[in-house]
Amino acid sequence: GQNIDQPTEMTATEGAIVQINCTYQTSGFNGLFWYQQHAGEAPTFLSYNVLDGLEEKGRFSSFLSRSKGYSYLLLKELQMKDSASYLCAPMDSNYQLIWGAGTKLIIKP
Amino acid sequence: GAVVSQHPSRVICKSGTSVKIECRSLDFQATTMFWYRQFPKKSLMLMATSNEGSKATYEQGVEKDKFLINHASLTLSTLTVTSAHPEDSSFYICSALTGGSHNEQFFGPGTRLTVL
Repeated sequence: GQNIDQPTEMTATEGAIVQINCTYQTSGFNGLFWYQQHAGEAPTFLSYNVLDGLEEKGRFSSFLSRSKGYSYLLLKELQMKDSASYLCAPMDSNYQLIWGAGTKLIIKP
Repeated sequence: GAVVSQHPSRVICKSGTSVKIECRSLDFQATTMFWYRQFPKKSLMLMATSNEGSKATYEQGVEKDKFLINHASLTLSTLTVTSAHPEDSSFYICSALTGGSHNEQFFGPGTRLTVL
């Protein structure tokens, strides 16, 4: 079957660094997306990895290991506005995103 | 990035009426669009895949006669919730695939449906 495993909730301090891990199993693989979702809003695109390695984009970086079915999202210099849910979503062979419940990130001052 | 719009953003309707939600890709053509539903504090649930010029593919458990999907052009897909009931109240989100080598998926802002 297809499934996603992410921590349900994480807490971090403003200005710190946090890493959100994701393991996945899919039927085929066409890359992995990370989305940020604030309560009551649609998800917004953060990153896309299709090859192994680290993709850096400002304060956010995303890593992928296809052989391990593993990805992480790294957030640096945390700001209060980063409090949101972070969704790891691999794309299967039919180009459909497989969604988990996401990780709720709480930032404390 | 690419822009996807949805209309309306919020709608309140009476039980038994039908509601149409539009999803548009504003600066790209989308052969494939997806419709999701999200309950509070839950993951997004894929309802159906909308392909331009052909019938939508519905996920198991989604009633195709209740949730009518029409993908009439490469930039527009519509979801019509027919004979709405209070349990249909939810957040409906569409997304569109850009195609090409990256084939990224961009989301619309969502539509909050409340059925009284």
